[in-house]
Amino acid sequence: DADVTQTPRNRITKTGKRIMLECSQTKGHDRMYWYRQDPGLGLQLIYYSFDVKDINKGEISDGYSVSRQAQAKFSLSLESAIPNQTALYFCATSGSGRGYEQYFGPGTRLTVT
Amino acid sequence: KQEVTQIPAALSVPEGENLVLNCSFTDSAIYNLQWFRQDPGKGLTSLLLIQSSQREQTSGRLNASLDKSSGRSTLYIAASQPGDSATYLCAVEWRSQGNLIFGKGTKLSVKP
Repeated sequence: DADVTQTPRNRITKTGKRIMLECSQTKGHDRMYWYRQDPGLGLQLIYYSFDVKDINKGEISDGYSVSRQAQAKFSLSLESAIPNQTALYFCATSGSGRGYEQYFGPGTRLTVT
Repeated sequence: KQEVTQIPAALSVPEGENLVLNCSFTDSAIYNLQWFRQDPGKGLTSLLLIQSSQREQTSGRLNASLDKSSGRSTLYIAASQPGDSATYLCAVEWRSQGNLIFGKGTKLSVKP
């Protein structure tokens, strides 16, 4: 089984809908991250969490919210989806055991029509 | 502003060549630097992580070096193979932040 899993893997939704992307990890890491990737812009950090009670905004947090339900689970919500949130979304984790090397999930391809 | 730059954006080489991918970064106060590989439409695979106290790391045919004073890292790939074709991303974590800043990547194509 994969160490970092994301659900769903693909999602098509309409403008204005609320959507949640979920991330789970079995690596025992304390840190978790959400990134989005757009062609030509590279990867940008949305939110990150160093433990269950620590949530931080990244470069592009507007229009997004997160919840760290447990050490192993970190979800990303789009409260009212808009077309320019169409992108590939990645969850990542890191832990102190390997110098905070980040490990990525397989990604969720989100399309907002 | 802390930034990571990768040049060139794309590179094509014949199979068997040794090659070097470049990464430069502003601000030498880094915590670590990480190289990733990404295949089209897929997630990122961590290749090598170099901590700020290290000068290089090796894994198989890959060798990554770090020169903080000049703000540069290189990823050396020996005896390239068509299976090495992918986008290679460099990312830096600075001490003041705790999160990675990514370059835009170098798209490598190795021709048989």
